Amino acid sequence: TQLLEQSPQFLSIQEGENLTVYCNSSSVFSSLQWYRQEPGEGPVLLVTVVTGGEVKKLKRLTFQFGDARKDSSLHITAAQPGDTGLYLCAGALGRDDKIIFGKGTRLHILP
Amino acid sequence: KAGVTQTPRYLIKTRGQQVTLSCSPISGHRSVSWYQQTPGQGLQFLFEYFSETQRNKGNFPGRFSGRQFSNSRSEMNVSTLELGDSALYLCASSFNLRGYTFGSGTRLTVV
Repeated sequence: TQLLEQSPQFLSIQEGENLTVYCNSSSVFSSLQWYRQEPGEGPVLLVTVVTGGEVKKLKRLTFQFGDARKDSSLHITAAQPGDTGLYLCAGALGRDDKIIFGKGTRLHILP
Repeated sequence: KAGVTQTPRYLIKTRGQQVTLSCSPISGHRSVSWYQQTPGQGLQFLFEYFSETQRNKGNFPGRFSGRQFSNSRSEMNVSTLELGDSALYLCASSFNLRGYTFGSGTRLTVV
C-alpha cells in the first residue's frame, strides 16, 4: 500500500509554463517535506511544512500543506530547464516520526 | 560543513555474496536512516538509527541489517545477495527529523 500518492508521475512542459504537482494521502502527517533529486545524486531538501494550511515560497516554487495535514502541493511559476528533476514528497508519521516517501513526479522542462 | 558521505559509490557483487555499505553523517546529526531506491518502488525505508539504537525498521527481510557507532557513523549489511537487491542505497542524516540531508548513494549491482 502506497501511503503517499504523487501525481502526475511524469510531466513534460515548455519553459515558461506554470505547473502544479500533488502529494496526497489518507494519513495525517506531523510534517511534510519536498525534495528534488537529480540523476546519480541523493534527494536535496527543498522545504519542510509543519502547520495545516501553511504556505512557503522558495523563489518561483510555492509549497502548500493541506488544512488537514494529509496532502500538499508544489506550484512552479515560469518553469525553467534547471527545474528538471524528480520531485519527492515525504511525510512524517506516528509517534516516532517515521518518514514515508512518495514515488515522485518526474518533471522535464523543455527549452 | 561536510555533507553526508557514502562509500563506496559503486559496487558490483555476485548473487549469494554479502556487502557492507558505509555512511558518515553530518557532524552533530545523531539520526541516520537508510533507504533503497529502485525505479519501480521508489524510495523504500530500510531502518533508522539514533544514538546507536535502531528506532524504526521498514519491511525488509532479515538479510538487511545495520548498525550505528558511537561517532554516529553507520553501516548497513546485506547478506546472501539476490538479483533484486540491485538498487541505489541512500543514507540520510537529520538533526531533528524535520528534514534529511542525503548522501549521493551507493549504486549496488548484483550479477
